[in-house]
Amino acid sequence: NAGVTQTPKFQVLKTGQSMTLQCAQDMNHNSMYWYRQDPGMGLRLIYYSASEGTTDKGEVPNGYNVSRLNKREFSLRLESAAPSQTSVYFCASSDTGGTHGYTFGSGTRLTVV
Amino acid sequence: KNQVEQSPQSLIILEGKNCTLQCNYTVSPFSNLRWYKQDTGRGPVSLTIMTFSENTKSNGRYTATLDADTKQSSLHITASQLSDSASYICVVWNSGNTPLVFGKGTRLSVIA
Repeated sequence: NAGVTQTPKFQVLKTGQSMTLQCAQDMNHNSMYWYRQDPGMGLRLIYYSASEGTTDKGEVPNGYNVSRLNKREFSLRLESAAPSQTSVYFCASSDTGGTHGYTFGSGTRLTVV
Repeated sequence: KNQVEQSPQSLIILEGKNCTLQCNYTVSPFSNLRWYKQDTGRGPVSLTIMTFSENTKSNGRYTATLDADTKQSSLHITASQLSDSASYICVVWNSGNTPLVFGKGTRLSVIA
């Protein structure tokens, strides 16, 4: 049982380049989330999808777009990467409302130069 | 504004000693409170989840307490081990489909 799988694990981008972070879960969870984690800032929500077909902005959505491709997959796209987007990105999933907790992926470390 | 504050920011203890981490929150309404452990370079992993009616919950050497009246929680680690070195994050969920509110974490270092 893989849980939440994120790809890639590491990525270096040049300013202005675009890329998509992939996330897939095999727990039949309805809700999925994208967070970024910066030193001293804790986890901040970028976007979330409460259920298949819906997406909502979180605390720090600017510069990002998301797609809930199906129930299993939730991708995060950076259209024009900026150095301020250098961070560790975590995908998570949960049952509706997160009653039984979130399951996190192992993270993607992104550096924008 | 819904907030979760944790203290201390960092802590160093000797192997075998006990320690207690604190969490204060202003999230309302309150549904449940969770403690996560995050090893360096890994995603957070759930330790405990407590609802409004629960005062204490244990998971091995980890014991979480909750006082919903004062909006405070603590995580007590007994007989610490080197593998306990990690960040411990307090997270509060209010209700419905609204996302969780995360604290910034306490960085614990256990040394031999």
